[in-house]
Amino acid sequence: DQQVKQNSPSLSVQEGRISILNCDYTNSMFDYFLWYKKYPAEGPTFLISISSIKDKNEDGRFTVFLNKSAKHLSLHIVPSQPGDSAVYFCAASEGADGLTFGKGTHLIIQP
Amino acid sequence: EPEVTQTPSHQVTQMGQEVILRCVPISNHLYFYWYRQILGQKVEFLVSFYNNEISEKSEIFDDQFSVERPDGSNFTLKIRSTKLEDSAMYFCASNWDRKKLFFGSGTQLSVL
Repeated sequence: DQQVKQNSPSLSVQEGRISILNCDYTNSMFDYFLWYKKYPAEGPTFLISISSIKDKNEDGRFTVFLNKSAKHLSLHIVPSQPGDSAVYFCAASEGADGLTFGKGTHLIIQP
Repeated sequence: EPEVTQTPSHQVTQMGQEVILRCVPISNHLYFYWYRQILGQKVEFLVSFYNNEISEKSEIFDDQFSVERPDGSNFTLKIRSTKLEDSAMYFCASNWDRKKLFFGSGTQLSVL
């Protein structure tokens, strides 16, 4: 039962272009969404988050969009840089519950 | 910048043995967590801990698992009798607001 789904296991983007990572969820009670970035042999690091009362949150090159009616979340990275190559996890929480993670998308930035 | 530290980075054990994974959360954090990631699979929630007791646990966290905060700084995960399927990367995390989690770099547990 995947409550948080990242349907693209990998994504390849040219350096300088926009990277768009997608995430779908099934639990309409989720009220907080986060993106984490993970390099090999390291723990996930927080990237950006959004509350369910908003539809957009921006932090530098990173923007998260939330479409509650579609239960869809996306992360935009622009412009993409080589250091952005990592696995990106979408996560969601309901109230004070622990986070539910998607399976991750491996983003590869090509020179 | 403060960080969550986990020891050891790698742990190899025989099936049926007990293991203790150790974590030092960020000092002013109030909520503590264990997650795990089996190779090739998603990061899974195991347990959350607040005010010296478990606040939430998943179906994975059965009677073979226990957590403890023995001295106000360490946060441990014990697996009493390890099984092959317990092999995974175990991540400790902490936060102060139950939202943005700070993760450690993980302990790779290999059960032989």
